[in-house]
Amino acid sequence: DGGITQSPKYLFRKEGQNVTLSCEQNLNHDAMYWYRQDPGQGLRLIYYSQIVNDFQKGDIAEGYSVSREKKESFPLTVTSAQKNPTAFYLCASSMDSSGNTIYFGEGSWLTVV
Amino acid sequence: ELKVEQNPLFLSMQEGKNYTIYCNYSTTSDRLYWYRQDPGKSLESLFVLLSNGAVKQEGRLMASLDTKARLSTLHITAAVHDLSATYFCAGGDYKLSFGAGTTVTVRA
Repeated sequence: DGGITQSPKYLFRKEGQNVTLSCEQNLNHDAMYWYRQDPGQGLRLIYYSQIVNDFQKGDIAEGYSVSREKKESFPLTVTSAQKNPTAFYLCASSMDSSGNTIYFGEGSWLTVV
Repeated sequence: ELKVEQNPLFLSMQEGKNYTIYCNYSTTSDRLYWYRQDPGKSLESLFVLLSNGAVKQEGRLMASLDTKARLSTLHITAAVHDLSATYFCAGGDYKLSFGAGTTVTVRA
C-alpha cells in the first residue's frame, strides 16, 4: 500500500540522549516535512525538504537535525540540545510545492523520562 | 510569516444543526487546507482550496475560500456524532502554517 510510514510509534528518551525518528514514503513525492504537535495545539514546522540532498529549517529547528539522502526517506534526529522534546511528531510529504495535498504519516510519540 | 487564526477553538454541536468554523490568515496565501484529526491520530486531509471563491463539498462538510477577505470557512450541515474531531486549517505554499484547531463535540 502507498503511504508514509513513521517509526517507532512510541519512543522514550532519557535526558541527554539523541534519538532518531524514521520516515519513509513510497508515494514518489519530492517534498517531505517534519512537524511537531504539542497537546491541544496546532502543528509547527521543524524542517522541510523539497528535493533530495537539500533541506531547510522551519520555524522551530533548534535542537533537531535531518538528512535527505534518498527521495523516500527523511529521518529526524532529536538531539540533547532540544530542551523540551516531549511531543507528537508528524512526518508529511507532497508531490511538489505547487498546491498538491500534503499527506501525513501516523505520527511518533516521543517522551523524555 | 503567515499567521492563521481559527475560531471558535471549541465547538459543542447539537445533532442535526448547522455550524461554521472560521479561519482567518494574515498575509496572502496561495492555498488553504483543511484537515481533521481524531484524538491520538494523524491528520486526514479534507480539502485543498486553491483560488478565490473556491468551494468544495464532501458529505456534510463544505469549505470555501475568500482570498480578498483572507478568510476560509468550514460549514457543517446537520451535524452527526461521527464529525466529532479536531479540525485544522492551514495556509501557505509548501511551508504550512497551522491554526490552533477547533475541537468539535457533537451531542445528541
